[in-house]
Amino acid sequence: DIVMTQTPSSQAVSAGEKVTMSCKSSQSLLYSENKKNYLAWYQQKPGQSPKLLISWASTRESGVPDRFIGSGSGTDFTLTISSVQAEDLAVYYCEQYYDTPFTFGSGTKLEIK
Amino acid sequence: QVQLTESGPGLVHPSETLSLTCTVSGFSLTGYSVYWVRQPSGKGLEWMGRMRYNGDTSYNSALKSRLSISRDTSKNQVFLKMNSLQTDDTGTYYCTRDPYWGQGVMVTVSS
Repeated sequence: DIVMTQTPSSQAVSAGEKVTMSCKSSQSLLYSENKKNYLAWYQQKPGQSPKLLISWASTRESGVPDRFIGSGSGTDFTLTISSVQAEDLAVYYCEQYYDTPFTFGSGTKLEIK
Repeated sequence: QVQLTESGPGLVHPSETLSLTCTVSGFSLTGYSVYWVRQPSGKGLEWMGRMRYNGDTSYNSALKSRLSISRDTSKNQVFLKMNSLQTDDTGTYYCTRDPYWGQGVMVTVSS
């Protein structure tokens, strides 16, 4: 199974600051035939179901603010929030869908100072 | 519009079998894959398995021996059955079809 490792496990930032979080996979998620990375980012706010933010490592879902930026390729991926807002308080998970069984990272909890 | 709704018993006794139903609307099960994801209370997300659009299934390696996913396309339902439940199976169980998620169903395993 592909192991997904997220760091840090939590971080606290002030509103307006930039935040980055990392997701590393135990094997490449880049499919050579279509040059796509099979990596998604989810946001889960307290008491809510997860919400898909980004697929294919960098493609934002419709309606997701452009302050959420996904980047990376192969085994190293990053989610950046360019200017954190109070409503971004959540746990962020990466997920690989390159191969079954799909697997999630353990999450990064974002706290607002 | 696309909706997924999980249903099932809120309480299951240890060693018993969990049966959950995901009822979908707004799309066909023969056109999209549906996934089950669970979340132990206060912990992270765990991918459980997939019912593919063509009827094929895939399972979490750690759960494979006690997990079964099936469907009834005429009723727009996907089913999850997991046997030999223990207390660490307590949590919220979701069905999902990207990018849509159900609201989840809380399952408690307790005697």
